[in-house]
Amino acid sequence: AQSVSQHNHHVILSEAASLELGCNYSYGGTVNLFWYVQYPGQHLQLLLKYFSGDPLVKGIKGFEAEFIKSKFSFNLRKPSVQWSDTAEYFCAVEPGTYKYIFGTGTRLKVLA
Amino acid sequence: GAGVSQSPRYKVAKRGQDVALRCDPISGHVSLFWYQQALGQGPEFLTYFQNEAQLDKSGLPSDRFFAERPEGSVSTLKIQRTQQEDSAVYLCASSDHTGGGTEAFFGQGTRLTVV
Repeated sequence: AQSVSQHNHHVILSEAASLELGCNYSYGGTVNLFWYVQYPGQHLQLLLKYFSGDPLVKGIKGFEAEFIKSKFSFNLRKPSVQWSDTAEYFCAVEPGTYKYIFGTGTRLKVLA
Repeated sequence: GAGVSQSPRYKVAKRGQDVALRCDPISGHVSLFWYQQALGQGPEFLTYFQNEAQLDKSGLPSDRFFAERPEGSVSTLKIQRTQQEDSAVYLCASSDHTGGGTEAFFGQGTRLTVV
């Protein structure tokens, strides 16, 4: 079955630390890839997406992600996190259809 | 509207009660999705509408779950004879494209607690 794995369930960082959240998926065909963020009390919002082309994609608020096809991975990175990045982050895969398969999410807490 | 609106935000139902959850998508969006998010999990797909047509209901967990979008805008997810395992956040999302490869805009969800 198609699945998405986010290995880090909880991450705690100090401000200015670098962030990398892992996302791996199991699907052999063409996929569209997304990272969504949910700030406390808010709805899911798109951070960035990959459909095709340059495997390094840049999103809002200084986030970027790299698609590595051979590793079935789409890891999210940010060089220097801020307290306001405290949120839950979801990786989602769209395996050639209209519906997303989400990972279980990573709760990030940034200490001021 | 400014975004996807869902109501109620919170619903407590007694086991066996029927509930109806409402979603107002972004105006003009042809695609509408329902997802279920259990505690500590990511959202899981329930059903998909393209305008008023329900094209995919493969994720609905049982025949107690029913969704409709009769005029191609507002959608209602109905759960009959609620059970404790139905407790979850129900998310609605819409997009302005059909098929894949587009951003979905999510509502804040309805948190259903079955007691």
